[in-house]
Amino acid sequence: QLQLQESGPGLVKPSETLSLTCTVSGGSISSSDYYWGWIRQSPEKGLEWIGSIYHSGSTYDNPSLKSRVTMSVDTSKNQFSLKMRSVTAADTAVYYCARRSMVGANYFDVFDIWGQGTLVTVSS
Amino acid sequence: DTQMTQSPSSLSASVGDRVTITCRTSQSISSFLNWYQQKPGKAPKLLIYAASTLHSGVPSRFSGSGSGSDFTLTISSLQPEDFATYYCQQSYSTPYTFGQGTRLDIK
Repeated sequence: QLQLQESGPGLVKPSETLSLTCTVSGGSISSSDYYWGWIRQSPEKGLEWIGSIYHSGSTYDNPSLKSRVTMSVDTSKNQFSLKMRSVTAADTAVYYCARRSMVGANYFDVFDIWGQGTLVTVSS
Repeated sequence: DTQMTQSPSSLSASVGDRVTITCRTSQSISSFLNWYQQKPGKAPKLLIYAASTLHSGVPSRFSGSGSGSDFTLTISSLQPEDFATYYCQQSYSTPYTFGQGTRLDIK
């Protein structure tokens, strides 16, 4: 069965770049049926969608992050990645990667498979 | 952005109780509403999509209803494994947004 696993540094200094990778196992990231996304969770902001990427590299992200986000995909490694620039303490959160599926007759978007999450702390 | 407001923010109930959680959106989202369950230290799990369709493997004691801007999640008879936090999420437009969560604990 499909599994997602986040990896990356757990501690990032303020003003630096947060970098995370999500490895997909048990299925292909190149499937035409899915997008792949990043969602974070903090006590202050709750669950916040960061952005999503297709295997072709097409992306869309949350404007609230003021273009600090870059997402990429490596189909040869079955991975997709997140970079967030100029981080502050407000970016401290558990970061999840997730599969975005379209289900039902009207193609409802859902996040149906999630990684376990990884805590990223922004601190000097 | 579509704002999501859940109520109550927390709820105490007993095994066997029927509970209802409400989600209200700041604009009409038709039926593009999902519900997730999250247990401590775990990722959210999809329960219901399209406001009322149970995701595969979800017990039938869970149900969802609503359209437009008012939605409900109902658990007909609480089981011990249902004590968790529940979130609504709209998929009508980006940015996707989530409710602040409803924590359901044991009375």
